[in-house]
Amino acid sequence: AQRVTQPEKLLSVFKGAPVELKCNYSYSGSPELFWYVQYSRQRLQLLLRHISRESIKGFTADLNKGETSFHLKKPFAQEEDSAMYYCALVPGGAGNNRKLIWGLGTSLAVNP
Amino acid sequence: KAGVTQTPRYLIKTRGQQVTLSCSPISGHRSVSWYQQTPGQGLQFLFEYFSETQRNKGNFPGRFSGRQFSNSRSEMNVSTLELGDSALYLCASSLAGQAPWATEAFFGQGTRLTVV
Repeated sequence: AQRVTQPEKLLSVFKGAPVELKCNYSYSGSPELFWYVQYSRQRLQLLLRHISRESIKGFTADLNKGETSFHLKKPFAQEEDSAMYYCALVPGGAGNNRKLIWGLGTSLAVNP
Repeated sequence: KAGVTQTPRYLIKTRGQQVTLSCSPISGHRSVSWYQQTPGQGLQFLFEYFSETQRNKGNFPGRFSGRQFSNSRSEMNVSTLELGDSALYLCASSLAGQAPWATEAFFGQGTRLTVV
């Protein structure tokens, strides 16, 4: 079964410390993977996707097919990074029925 | 380009009542998905509509239903409300299709439903 697991419900770090939000997936094919973020009182929005291989707000995420992981990393956390982070997967392959499969989310708190 | 619009923003209902929530997707988006978000359960998928047809469904009871109109606007209905239905209900739209950018979900700000 296709599944996304975010093992940490809550992650607390100090400002300036490195942060890694874990995401593991279960899928036998080649998925598309995303990180979405929800800041306080704002709508849920896309942070980055693995296809783009980009860095957004200092965050990067590398798809590791061997470990079936897509961990989100930032070398120096900022207070404004405090938010809820969701990892999501879209199964690859043909057809339009490619729904997003979501992890339960990790709440990141960056303390001053 | 206008974003995803959900109405109303807040609702208070009594147990046993029914409620209808509305979602207007981004122009040109054919897929509309609904989610329930609660502090304890995170983001839970309710269902997805594409071209007026429900094509994906989550594990929610039959009290939760939806529909999509020809202009892609969608409504979600919850009948016989229970206290546990209190949550933020999110709607997301996407282009849908094979292209990678087509799967990005754009979310509305949600409807906060409180059942008393």
